[in-house]
Amino acid sequence: DAGVIQSPRHEVTEMGQEVTLRCKPISGHNSLFWYRQTMMRGLELLIYFNNNVPIDDSGMPEDRFSAKMPNASFSTLKIQPSEPRDSAVYFCASSGGPALYEQYFGPGTRLTVT
Amino acid sequence: AQRVTQPEKLLSVFKGAPVELKCNYSYSGSPELFWYVQYSRQRLQLLLRHISRESIKGFTADLNKGETSFHLKKPFAQEEDSAMYYCALSDGGYNKLIFGAGTRLAVHP
Repeated sequence: DAGVIQSPRHEVTEMGQEVTLRCKPISGHNSLFWYRQTMMRGLELLIYFNNNVPIDDSGMPEDRFSAKMPNASFSTLKIQPSEPRDSAVYFCASSGGPALYEQYFGPGTRLTVT
Repeated sequence: AQRVTQPEKLLSVFKGAPVELKCNYSYSGSPELFWYVQYSRQRLQLLLRHISRESIKGFTADLNKGETSFHLKKPFAQEEDSAMYYCALSDGGYNKLIFGAGTRLAVHP
């Protein structure tokens, strides 16, 4: 298995543009998590899904952020419109294999909003 | 409420010195605890979990329920141990983990 896959790895965009981050979890995992990592705030859980259903989105900072999981093998995190303070590394993680609570992280998307 | 506290933002040691990264938690049930490591500009990866009671890369961590701690230890630090270390607690449902703020370990030659 290739592990959790995220795309793009790097994204540079201008303020006001729409940004879509993509994640493919490990096959067979039934939970998916989106995190944001910054120097100031550390690792923050934004939203997580179980069996494709959003369970808790209380970590989503604003209405500009939205996430979907249309099927078990794909999820998106969208920011519209983007702002400079959204600049961060966004990680996707999945879990649900034999080691129940172990989360496997993707390589992250480094987002820069200018 | 469940919480994970890592009191040190930065721990700086010399090569060969012992290392202890502190982690305290608050949880009402029986916790399952983890240490994750993130090397420079890489993904987070699991270092060890308390339930397996194993030693990975020379690191060990013992769950102390009386002190509600899960400190990470290594007797002799190596330069390649320099990384960000996160302590995490399982939230009991949906495989959710609660992460601490992280401690950056810097091992100097």
